[in-house]
Amino acid sequence: EPEVTQTPSHQVTQMGQEVILRCVPISNHLYFYWYRQILGQKVEFLVSFYNNEISEKSEIFDDQFSVERPDGSNFTLKIRSTKLEDSAMYFCASSEIAGASTDTQYFGPGTRLTVL
Amino acid sequence: AQSVTQLDSHVSVSEGTPVLLRCNYSSSYSPSLFWYVQHPNKGLQLLLKYTSAATLVKGINGFEAEFKKSETSFHLTKPSAHMSDAAEYFCVVSEGASKIIFGSGTRLSIRP
Repeated sequence: EPEVTQTPSHQVTQMGQEVILRCVPISNHLYFYWYRQILGQKVEFLVSFYNNEISEKSEIFDDQFSVERPDGSNFTLKIRSTKLEDSAMYFCASSEIAGASTDTQYFGPGTRLTVL
Repeated sequence: AQSVTQLDSHVSVSEGTPVLLRCNYSSSYSPSLFWYVQHPNKGLQLLLKYTSAATLVKGINGFEAEFKKSETSFHLTKPSAHMSDAAEYFCVVSEGASKIIFGSGTRLSIRP
């Protein structure tokens, strides 16, 4: 069964460094998402991406964040200058249909980002 | 504004007994509702979803949930718990691609 994959599973970085989290969505899916979950808190929506541009973004997704689909398979989240509070589990998701409320989103296993 | 409340942070049941994980929501529109499960070190797996069709929704692994508009609830049930059901369960409400709200999660433990 097709699944969303994410690399790395765990990333440790120093405060102020740039990190890139990578995701490979399911191949025929059109809509891509990033979420994060700070330890002990709820899963929070960051951004959705469709047709090579950001479709929606939350207040969390400020100028230090960016997303890109550099080729036909990868979907990346870049954090330009990491802060301690960026430490969280980051989930990538994809859906087949373009962004309706009824869409099923398929999630990857997550990347745990630790900022020291 | 939409919100999701999972009423129990932790539920513990004996193997073979029923499971009830509670979820209440609020939404300005007719939402879609989902239950996801997360096993340790795994991604979020869809259990079932409600999208304004039948109010009783059957999912994978014997789980089902009933949408009750009058009670604004979408509780997850299973008649007989199995050890492999031990995991974290998330109730999710969606009004659109970016308007997705997760509940805080319920950790289900199964006693032998």
